[in-house]
Amino acid sequence: KNQVEQSPQSLIILEGKNCTLQCNYTVSPFSNLRWYKQDTGRGPVSLTIMTFSENTKSNGRYTATLDADTKQSSLHITASQLSDSASYICVVTLETGRRALTFGSGTRLQVQP
Amino acid sequence: TAGITQAPTSQILAAGRSMTLRCTQDMRHNAMYWYRQDLGLGLRLIHYSNTAGTTGKGEVPDGYSVSRANTDDFPLTLASAVPSQTSVYFCASSDSSNTEAFFGQGTRLTVV
Repeated sequence: KNQVEQSPQSLIILEGKNCTLQCNYTVSPFSNLRWYKQDTGRGPVSLTIMTFSENTKSNGRYTATLDADTKQSSLHITASQLSDSASYICVVTLETGRRALTFGSGTRLQVQP
Repeated sequence: TAGITQAPTSQILAAGRSMTLRCTQDMRHNAMYWYRQDLGLGLRLIHYSNTAGTTGKGEVPDGYSVSRANTDDFPLTLASAVPSQTSVYFCASSDSSNTEAFFGQGTRLTVV
C-alpha cells in the first residue's frame, strides 16, 4: 500500500527560528512530490512541487529538498513568522493512469511570539 | 478569478438524510477530486473525474456518489448519511498535466 509519512506530527517554535519538517514515502512509481500549507479552516495551498529529477526547490522562506533514492523529502522554513502557523502536508503523485495524489497526515506547526 | 468554490461551508445533517455537496471551478480543469479530511489522517480520496462524463472510485468511495455532467461542476452526494461521514470535505481540480492541484475552502459536515 502506498504511504506518505510525515514527522513530527506537531511542532512549536519561537518566531524567527528555523525548522525542518520531514516526509518519507513509499509511493511507487513516483511522479512528483509537493508540499502544501493548510491554514486552519482553509483548503491546502501549494508551496513547492518537485519531480524525481529535482533535489531542491525554494519558494521565499520555504525550501524543499528531495532524495528520490532514499524516498525522503524535507521542508525547511527560515526565519519563521507567526503567519507560518499552519499544517504542512506532503503529497506524492503516483505515475499511473489517474495520477492519484497520496497525502501525508501533515505536521502541525505553531509559531509563538 | 473565483477558482474553485464549494457549498455549503458547513452543514449539520440528520442520519439517514441525503445531501449533495456542490463544487464548481472556473479554470476549465479536466480533473476534479473529492477528499475527506479527518483528524490525524491525511486527505483521503473519495471519488475523482479525469474529464467530463467520466468518474472513478478513490480510496473511500462507499456511501458516496458523484457525477460529472460538465467540466465545471462535480457534486458529491450522500444518499443516506451516517455519523462516520462526519468530516471536512475538500474538492480539488487540476489541469491535464497535473502539475498543480487547487483546493476549495472545504465543507464541514456533521452527521447526527
